[in-house]
Amino acid sequence: QKEVEQDPGPLSVPEGAIVSLNCTYSNSAFQYFMWYRQYSRKGPELLMYTYSSGNKEDGRFTAQVDKSSKYISLFIRDSQPSDSATYLCAMSAGTNAGKSTFGDGTTLTVKP
Amino acid sequence: DGGITQSPKYLFRKEGQNVTLSCEQNLNHDAMYWYRQDPGQGLRLIYYSQIVNDFQKGDIAEGYSVSREKKESFPLTVTSAQKNPTAFYLCASSRGLANTGELFFGEGSRLTVL
Repeated sequence: QKEVEQDPGPLSVPEGAIVSLNCTYSNSAFQYFMWYRQYSRKGPELLMYTYSSGNKEDGRFTAQVDKSSKYISLFIRDSQPSDSATYLCAMSAGTNAGKSTFGDGTTLTVKP
Repeated sequence: DGGITQSPKYLFRKEGQNVTLSCEQNLNHDAMYWYRQDPGQGLRLIYYSQIVNDFQKGDIAEGYSVSREKKESFPLTVTSAQKNPTAFYLCASSRGLANTGELFFGEGSRLTVL
């Protein structure tokens, strides 16, 4: 069983919809939680970063971490066609960001 | 503009050949990383380097080699010992040991073995 499981998708929604992307994990030592966005044939870019449990909001994006359930989510409000991309969750126990464990990604398409 | 430059963007290799992927950064970052991404899968760490002249194996280092002679450069060689080298390769960097979660990625190199 993988340490990080991500809802596989693909996901297709109409413009303006609320999108929920989710990951579960098994390693209770994880304390750094990230969401990356990857456009087709490009490198990923950091979207949200959370340390420990709680919520974090940035514009239309909200990241939630529930360490008791080992579950993290990314919500996108008022989704736009420009949000169409693959979203990767990543998490780490230690201080080295590059040694994070990544989910397999969820591909989102927002239709105008 | 600061960033990470990977080259070539596309590369074709015959079986049995070694190939080297270039990665250069002008962000003045200490740490650099190489990842492999296969279709429908997340990133897997091949090698990483925290400082010049030092590097560590990641989860899937077999069949790969790296060097870090300069802070700005971290080339990856895919050797003939790598049994399934066709993949998308991503180079990344981070400021240092403190985990802010942020990795800066290049645009990737797609390697195809013919």
